Amino acid sequence: DAKTTQPPSMDCAEGRAANLPCNHSTISGNEYVYWYRQIHSQGPQYIIHGLKNNETNEMASLIITEDRKSSTLILPHATLRDTAVYYCIRTGTASKLTFGTGTRLQVTL
Amino acid sequence: DTGVSQNPRHKITKRGQNVTFRCDPISEHNRLYWYRQTLGQGPEFLTYFQNEAQLEKSRLLSDRFSAERPKGSFSTLEIQRTEQGDSAMYLCASSLPTGWSYEQYFGPGTRLTVT
Repeated sequence: DAKTTQPPSMDCAEGRAANLPCNHSTISGNEYVYWYRQIHSQGPQYIIHGLKNNETNEMASLIITEDRKSSTLILPHATLRDTAVYYCIRTGTASKLTFGTGTRLQVTL
Repeated sequence: DTGVSQNPRHKITKRGQNVTFRCDPISEHNRLYWYRQTLGQGPEFLTYFQNEAQLEKSRLLSDRFSAERPKGSFSTLEIQRTEQGDSAMYLCASSLPTGWSYEQYFGPGTRLTVT
């Protein structure tokens, strides 16, 4: 199974940037890095994905290291509604997503 | 709301009973996925369809589980002779792969409790 490593939990003050790291040191050349989040009692929500270039959308930015062995998801101005479990996933197919246990981000006042 | 919908949202059943869940994907999404999630864990892949064809099944999908997507639109997941270990959140997702874009859009899930 494709594996990534994430810290189990992180805290972030509201209004500050949340930087969530992910290690994927054995990523293959054709695998993308995807980020999803899951707010309590809801289904996972797609955030962003990238191959080797940095990406930005309305939700977040994704920074991928040049060697592609790790990446960081950045929520520029975290709010209480960003409290969720964040999953970093590597995949090269359109079939299954392999979720780990993710990072539980707690945004506090 | 044109997102993925799942019914029922909650199901409580007694051990040994059969249950069926329904998933309605986003219109025109040709891929449909089923996942299972237990407490404290990330979702685990069960199976996926492209149109009406079931293309992959996880070893988690025992003989008691069956999934269908008869007309390439909605899908059903049936569990026969439920066991307490089947208690979980069952998630459905759909996607319309374009190029290298594989975003999956998830429904709210069906929470199954087997007593």
